Amino acid sequence: AQSVTQPDIHITVSEGASLELRCNYSYGATPYLFWYVQSPGQGLQLLLKYFSGDTLVQGIKGFEAEFKRSQSSFNLRKPSVHWSDAAEYFCAVGAAYGSSNTGKLIFGQGTTLQVKP
Amino acid sequence: NAGVTQTPKFQVLKTGQSMTLQCAQDMNHNSMYWYRQDPGMGLRLIYYSASEGTTDKGEVPNGYNVSRLNKREFSLRLESAAPSQTSVYFCASTGKRNQPQHFGDGTRLSIL
Repeated sequence: AQSVTQPDIHITVSEGASLELRCNYSYGATPYLFWYVQSPGQGLQLLLKYFSGDTLVQGIKGFEAEFKRSQSSFNLRKPSVHWSDAAEYFCAVGAAYGSSNTGKLIFGQGTTLQVKP
Repeated sequence: NAGVTQTPKFQVLKTGQSMTLQCAQDMNHNSMYWYRQDPGMGLRLIYYSASEGTTDKGEVPNGYNVSRLNKREFSLRLESAAPSQTSVYFCASTGKRNQPQHFGDGTRLSIL
């Protein structure tokens, strides 16, 4: 079955500390992957995407993610967290090619990030 | 840049009432989607429209209907609302199938 798992429901880090949010996927076709961020009461904003090529992708707000096909993972990282990064983060996967590419995405359950001053 | 616009932003219904959630995008996107977001469950796809004139069921379609009115608009209808449909509903669109989806700000729906 196709699925996305974000193992950490809630993470708390101190401001200035590094951050890694985990994402594991199970997908039969060649995947393309996204990370979105959602602030309270808002819609989802795209942080970054992976479609093909370089497995380390850079996004907005200083975030990056690394695609590891062998581990079926697409973890999000940031070297130094700011208080404004407190939000909920979603990993999503879709089909990159072929008839299975309907544009549909499967989302993980989300990880809530709290930032301590 | 309006992007994806959802109306209303908030709504309270009584069980058994009907209503339509509206979604419009101004990016000339082909594909549009309706999701519901519930705590601890991420976003789940209700229905989608890969192109104008087509609609298909997603993961949780029961109790909902959709209409792709034209290329810009994609509405979601609850014919007989149930408390289990209390949720936050998001509409999204994309121009190409391997490109990011753009999201509206959501409709917060409570059914009593």
